[in-house]
Amino acid sequence: KNEVEQSPQNLTAQEGEFITINCSYSVGISALHWLQQHPGGGIVSLFMLSSGKKKHGRLIATINIQEKHSSLHITASHPRDSAVYICAVLLDYGGSQGNLIFGKGTKLSVKP
Amino acid sequence: DAGVTQSPTHLIKTRGQQVTLRCSPKSGHDTVSWYQQALGQGPQFIFQYYEEEERQRGNFPDRFSGHQFPNYSSELNVNALLLGDSALYLCASSLPDIPYEQYFGPGTRLTVT
Repeated sequence: KNEVEQSPQNLTAQEGEFITINCSYSVGISALHWLQQHPGGGIVSLFMLSSGKKKHGRLIATINIQEKHSSLHITASHPRDSAVYICAVLLDYGGSQGNLIFGKGTKLSVKP
Repeated sequence: DAGVTQSPTHLIKTRGQQVTLRCSPKSGHDTVSWYQQALGQGPQFIFQYYEEEERQRGNFPDRFSGHQFPNYSSELNVNALLLGDSALYLCASSLPDIPYEQYFGPGTRLTVT
């Protein structure tokens, strides 16, 4: 079993729909990333969070440390949101030096 | 302020050859991490360099080695290339006391034929 699991693996939505991508992890962490990867490979960090909720434009990320679960929400989705969304966690070894563990990603396609 | 840069963008090599990939960290960052992303998979941690030394290493064979220079730029070397080494290689930089704030480069796409 992977330490970081994402669901769904693939997601197709109509423009304007509200989208939720989930991430569950099985290890102690000090922080969690949500990343966006467009075709061609470049990765952009959307959020880094260790508790609560963050919002940036149409994107909202939440994390529940007790349940070891995080969600990424996209409101009013648009075709330009089409990308792979990756959840990555920073392990908490009481001195972790920055080794990120990644989920396999969720491929989102938003149709006009 | 330049972000993380990587070179080359794409590379094609033959089995058994050796390859060197390069990464320049974001200005002000002195820690560089390397990741391998196979097609359809999430990135896997290869190793991390800080103060010109390998500080942490993932589950990769010794064929994968690296180096960090005094200007904090870094190289990833892979010897005796295998077909399975074909992947996107990502570099990320950070500050040592803020390991969760990693900035990623655009990646180098390596194809081994």
